Amino acid sequence: EPEVTQTPSHQVTQMGQEVILRCVPISNHLYFYWYRQILGQKVEFLVSFYNNEISEKSEIFDDQFSVERPDGSNFTLKIRSTKLEDSAMYFCASSEPTGGDGYTFGSGTRLTVV
Amino acid sequence: RKEVEQDPGPFNVPEGATVAFNCTYSNSASQSFFWYRQDCRKEPKLLMSVYSSGNEDGRFTAQLNRASQYISLLIRDSKLSDSATYLCVVNAGRGSTLGRLYFGRGTQLTVWP
Repeated sequence: EPEVTQTPSHQVTQMGQEVILRCVPISNHLYFYWYRQILGQKVEFLVSFYNNEISEKSEIFDDQFSVERPDGSNFTLKIRSTKLEDSAMYFCASSEPTGGDGYTFGSGTRLTVV
Repeated sequence: RKEVEQDPGPFNVPEGATVAFNCTYSNSASQSFFWYRQDCRKEPKLLMSVYSSGNEDGRFTAQLNRASQYISLLIRDSKLSDSATYLCVVNAGRGSTLGRLYFGRGTQLTVWP
């Protein structure tokens, strides 16, 4: 079964440092997403990406966040200057054009900001 | 405003029991509805899409009531492996693409032997 791959699985960083979370979506999917889940809370939408540009972003996705698809396979989320409250699980997801079968999520990157 | 609301549980049931989860959503324009399951500290995994006519997948039955903006999931003959958090998920209702998804906080289920 095709899967979405995320690296690293766990990242510890100091407050104020930049982090890049990496994702390899399913190859024939065209829509890519980042979600996050703070421990004990619900999964929250960050951003969606289609045709090499952001199609929608949430209020969480401020100027500290950026996404990029640098080549044909990778999809990255960058946090420029991390804060303690950025500590969360970050899930990448991708979907087919029709989207009728929902998203496929990657196994996540646990980001811990200290 | 809470886009998707679920009873957080926890539900603790014996093996073989039937258990039902409910969910309400606030956006009447939503077009796609799903149940995901999430194991502890893992990614959400699609359990089933929910269609207007209701649909069944083995021991799992999902129902959608658009008028009441209500979604349900019924699990029959519970197995130990059904222990997880069940997430009610609704899309934002834009156009024909899946768009942004809104997640409920999840309902925790524990099936005991």
